[in-house]
Amino acid sequence: GENVEQHPSTLSVQEGDSAVIKCTYSDSASNYFPWYKQELGKRPQLIIDIRSNVGEKKDQRIAVTLNKTAKHFSLHITETQPEDSAVYFCAASNSNTGKLIFGQGTTLQVKP
Amino acid sequence: GAGVSQSPSNKVTEKGKDVELRCDPISGHTALYWYRQSLGQGLEFLIYFQGNSAPDKSGLPSDRFSAERTGGSVSTLTIQRTQQEDSAVYLCASSPRTGSGEQYFGPGTRLTVT
Repeated sequence: GENVEQHPSTLSVQEGDSAVIKCTYSDSASNYFPWYKQELGKRPQLIIDIRSNVGEKKDQRIAVTLNKTAKHFSLHITETQPEDSAVYFCAASNSNTGKLIFGQGTTLQVKP
Repeated sequence: GAGVSQSPSNKVTEKGKDVELRCDPISGHTALYWYRQSLGQGLEFLIYFQGNSAPDKSGLPSDRFSAERTGGSVSTLTIQRTQQEDSAVYLCASSPRTGSGEQYFGPGTRLTVT
C-alpha cells in the first residue's frame, strides 16, 4: 500500500545551522509533495510544496528537492532560527484522489 | 478570509457513547478531508469528499466511523460506541478541488474517551 517514510524522527541543530529532513514514498503515481509545520497544540501549516514536474523549489530559507526516480524528497532549512522549532511532516498524494499520506514527523529543535 | 473551522475544540466522552464532530470548510472549497492524529503520531487519512461524488471511505478504521457532507459544505464525522483507542485529535482539511494538492487544516477536535 501507500507509504511515506520520514527521517530523522528528531533533529537538534544550533541556531544558524542548516537542517535537512528526508522522505521516501512508495506510490509511483504520487505527484504532489507538501511539507507541513506543526507547532505544539496547533494545526498543521503548509510551508512549501513541490509537484512532480519540478526538481527543486525554494522560498526564502526553505527549499524542497524531489528525485522521482529514487522516490525521495527532502526539506532544507537554512540559517535556522529558534522559531523554526516544531514538528515537520512530509506527505505525498496523487491527483486522482488528493488524499495525503503523511510521514511520521520530525521534531526539530533549534538551540539559541 | 475565514479558514477551516471545527467544533467542538475539545470533547470528553464516556466509552460506549456516540460523538459527532463538525467541520466547516473554506467557502468555495469542493474537496474535504478528515484525518486523525494520535498523540505524538503522524496524520492518518480517514475519508474524503469531492463535490457530489461518492466519498472515499478507505481510511475509516471500523464501521463505527461514518461521515457525511451536507450541501457540499459542512461535514460531520460520527463515531459510534466510542472506544479508548479512538482518543485522538481529529483534523479536517479542505482544498479548492481534488488533485489540486493544497489542503488547509482546521484547528482539530481533541477527543478523549474515558
